Amino acid sequence: DVKVTQSSRYLVKRTGEKVFLECVQDMDHENMFWYRQDPGLGLRLIYFSYDVKMKEKGDIPEGYSVSREKKERFSLILESASTNQTSMYLCASSPQTGLGPEQYFGPGTRLTVT
Amino acid sequence: GENVEQHPSTLSVQEGDSAVIKCTYSDSASNYFPWYKQELGKGPQLIIDIRSNVGEKKDQRIAVTLNKTAKHFSLHITETQPEDSAVYFCAASPYGQNFVFGPGTRLSVLP
Repeated sequence: DVKVTQSSRYLVKRTGEKVFLECVQDMDHENMFWYRQDPGLGLRLIYFSYDVKMKEKGDIPEGYSVSREKKERFSLILESASTNQTSMYLCASSPQTGLGPEQYFGPGTRLTVT
Repeated sequence: GENVEQHPSTLSVQEGDSAVIKCTYSDSASNYFPWYKQELGKGPQLIIDIRSNVGEKKDQRIAVTLNKTAKHFSLHITETQPEDSAVYFCAASPYGQNFVFGPGTRLSVLP
């Protein structure tokens, strides 16, 4: 069974703080993704990675960065958190590129920035 | 780039009735269309998908139809049960590229 875990379910941070969201998958997947989920907007892709030390911008990368030092771990970094980054953050992984690889999601981290 | 619209945003049905959720996409290069179900407190999970060379696919009580000419696809759930209550997301993906998700539909199945 594929398992994607996220370091925190709930997180409260202050404006200007540096925030780390961690994601770990246990199925040796090449691809990993970070999304944010907001009501009425669905899931929007922030960053993704097809390999270790590789990263690509998604649709809404502004204000975020990522790190992938090991294949199983993909971190999302908010360098200076702002209130408009209050959201649900979802990590996902998939086994390969190409047509239709299923993405497996973690349970999400609900981040509140005050 | 790809844009996916999804309707309705909320849907309430009586237990045992059918539910239909519709999505449209804009990029004719899209050829893979998955549907994800997100239960409360959990991440989305794939429930069914369809590729562009197929017009319809069925898996027990759920089915998906695809009309490539009109650029729309739909999720059909028959004989709904309380455990079908969740948020459903459609997505579209051009070959080898990332998914673009719709905004979601909150389905409530009333006893």
